[in-house]
Amino acid sequence: QVQLAESGGGLVQPGGSLRLSCVVSGFTLSDFYMTWVRQAPGKGLEWVSYISSSGSTIYYADSVKGRFTISRDNAKNSLYLQMNSLRVEDTAVYYCARDWANVGFDYWDQGTLVTVSS
Amino acid sequence: QSVLTQPPSVSAAPGQKVTISCSGSSSNIGNNYVSWYQQLPGTAPKLLIYDNNKRPSGIPDRFSGSKSGTSATLGITGLQTGDEADYYCGTWDSSLRAVVFGGGTKLTVL
Repeated sequence: QVQLAESGGGLVQPGGSLRLSCVVSGFTLSDFYMTWVRQAPGKGLEWVSYISSSGSTIYYADSVKGRFTISRDNAKNSLYLQMNSLRVEDTAVYYCARDWANVGFDYWDQGTLVTVSS
Repeated sequence: QSVLTQPPSVSAAPGQKVTISCSGSSSNIGNNYVSWYQQLPGTAPKLLIYDNNKRPSGIPDRFSGSKSGTSATLGITGLQTGDEADYYCGTWDSSLRAVVFGGGTKLTVL
């Protein structure tokens, strides 16, 4: 069955860095676009970044552009989010998800909490 | 301030029908497909509707989606207490070159 398992979250100081990893199983990663979505405590969903199946096309939300980098290694069944220059407002649960069709995201991982605080 | 506008809350009695609206513009809903998600407390979002009106495998036909112009609607019939959740619409915005979500609607089944 399809599974997405995320790791790499935790507590970091403002200005610090974290790298999130999302390892997938049960499907061929190279067949799908993937995305990162976050949700601040008590808030709604906020899209972060989106990557095409080959990695050749990438989009970022303005709020993270220049600070976050999305990447993928299809051979390792893995999606990544490198987060630099973290700010307090980046504190959120981060989800990786698979794009089933036209930004309809059908499988999500359990989410990992990133806390940016001094 | 979300690009897509949803009512903050809706409510209805068990067994009744409810609709949740999602309003956008020509750069998003007007020219792109809409998806709907259900998020139960403490869990990841779940895809209910994609491509405006299609249901993934396993989603009951009590859930339906429609789109007209720059607005979309999620319909839920035969409400159950287990349907109490937050609901989000989402789509691609061609001008922003970004995925956009609505602010979410909290459904209460009275």
